[in-house]
Amino acid sequence: GEDVEQSLFLSVREGDSSVINCTYTDSSSTYLYWYKQEPGAGLQLLTYIFSNMDMKQDQRLTVLLNKKDKHLSLRIADTQTGDSAIYFCAERLPGANNLFFGTGTRLTVIP
Amino acid sequence: DAGVIQSPRHEVTEMGQEVTLRCKPISGHNSLFWYRQTMMRGLELLIYFNNNVPIDDSGMPEDRFSAKMPNASFSTLKIQPSEPRDSAVYFCASSLRTSGTFGEQFFGPGTRLTVL
Repeated sequence: GEDVEQSLFLSVREGDSSVINCTYTDSSSTYLYWYKQEPGAGLQLLTYIFSNMDMKQDQRLTVLLNKKDKHLSLRIADTQTGDSAIYFCAERLPGANNLFFGTGTRLTVIP
Repeated sequence: DAGVIQSPRHEVTEMGQEVTLRCKPISGHNSLFWYRQTMMRGLELLIYFNNNVPIDDSGMPEDRFSAKMPNASFSTLKIQPSEPRDSAVYFCASSLRTSGTFGEQFFGPGTRLTVL
């Protein structure tokens, strides 16, 4: 499978911004996704970006894509305790129905 | 819609026993995915179906694992015989694939399997 890598842990204080990073290996990725997994639950799609975009903003979420460096990031503004979860990035390759997921980053928000 | 439904939510069994995990995808979805999540290996795709047909089973660990989708509203993942290293959370996801797009994958709540 493809290599999609993330750092395992991130801690931030409530109200600060969180930046979760992801690197991938296949430059032909068509879509890149961010999923959120809360304790005891399945993954929920947060946002996605098409590979021809550099940035996408959705309320408190900002996705940045650097195709040259194969680097994807998710910025959460004004992080709240409810944002504590595991965040997965995932890539979709051309013509593929399946996704390749990263290892997940556990975000802990400190009150 | 109730979303993707998985059963059981928790399963504890002894090594050597047969385990069957069940999934009901979202009505109208035509793609179904089985994933396994462990601390060591993260989230791995085991197999996925399009229109009830298995498309890619390269992620199935070994012959002890099998998956079926007899109709559009039901799929099973079977492990026989089970081993302690199969202990993981197993997720089912479904999506609607059309001729032009691959739809968002909606995940079920998962089945936590413990093999003693």
